[in-house]
Amino acid sequence: AQSVTQLDSHVSVSEGTPVLLRCNYSSSYSPSLFWYVQHPNKGLQLLLKYTSAATLVKGINGFEAEFKKSETSFHLTKPSAHMSDAAEYFCVVSEDWDDMRFGAGTRLTVKP
Amino acid sequence: DTGVSQNPRHKITKRGQNVTFRCDPISEHNRLYWYRQTLGQGPEFLTYFQNEAQLEKSRLLSDRFSAERPKGSFSTLEIQRTEQGDSAMYLCASSLVGQGYEQYFGPGTRLTVT
Repeated sequence: AQSVTQLDSHVSVSEGTPVLLRCNYSSSYSPSLFWYVQHPNKGLQLLLKYTSAATLVKGINGFEAEFKKSETSFHLTKPSAHMSDAAEYFCVVSEDWDDMRFGAGTRLTVKP
Repeated sequence: DTGVSQNPRHKITKRGQNVTFRCDPISEHNRLYWYRQTLGQGPEFLTYFQNEAQLEKSRLLSDRFSAERPKGSFSTLEIQRTEQGDSAMYLCASSLVGQGYEQYFGPGTRLTVT
């Protein structure tokens, strides 16, 4: 069965410094992988998705993620954090478009 | 706004009462999903529809829960005889088969059972 582990429940960075949110997945097949962001009182928003094309995926707001099959990882990065990036981030694995498994989430705090 | 909408945004109810939530998906989307999210956790799948047909239900969806999508547009999720353990955020998402499949989420309905 597919599953995803977000390795940090909380990450704190200073504004202007790099962001790294870590995600490992488990899947018997070639999965699709997603990162979603959830701001308070807002719906989940898709940041980016990997669907077996390029392993380096660029998303919105300067985020990107790299699919590494050998490490079963799909870490989310951003070169320079902005205050507006503070939110909850979810890594998602899917073997079937109708069966998406969410991680427990990583809360990103950005300090001024 | 042409996104997914959910009503109400917040619901406080007493244990044992019935509650009903509504989800309006993006208009051209034919798939509609319900998830539940508890504090500190990611969303967990409950059920989904393709048009008006309910195609899958999670084991999480006890027989006190029922969902409908009668005309293939909006959907309702009803919880009967609510329990304190039902307190959670209930999320709705929609997608379009054949167009990327990614799911677009609504803002959720937060249920508090007292």
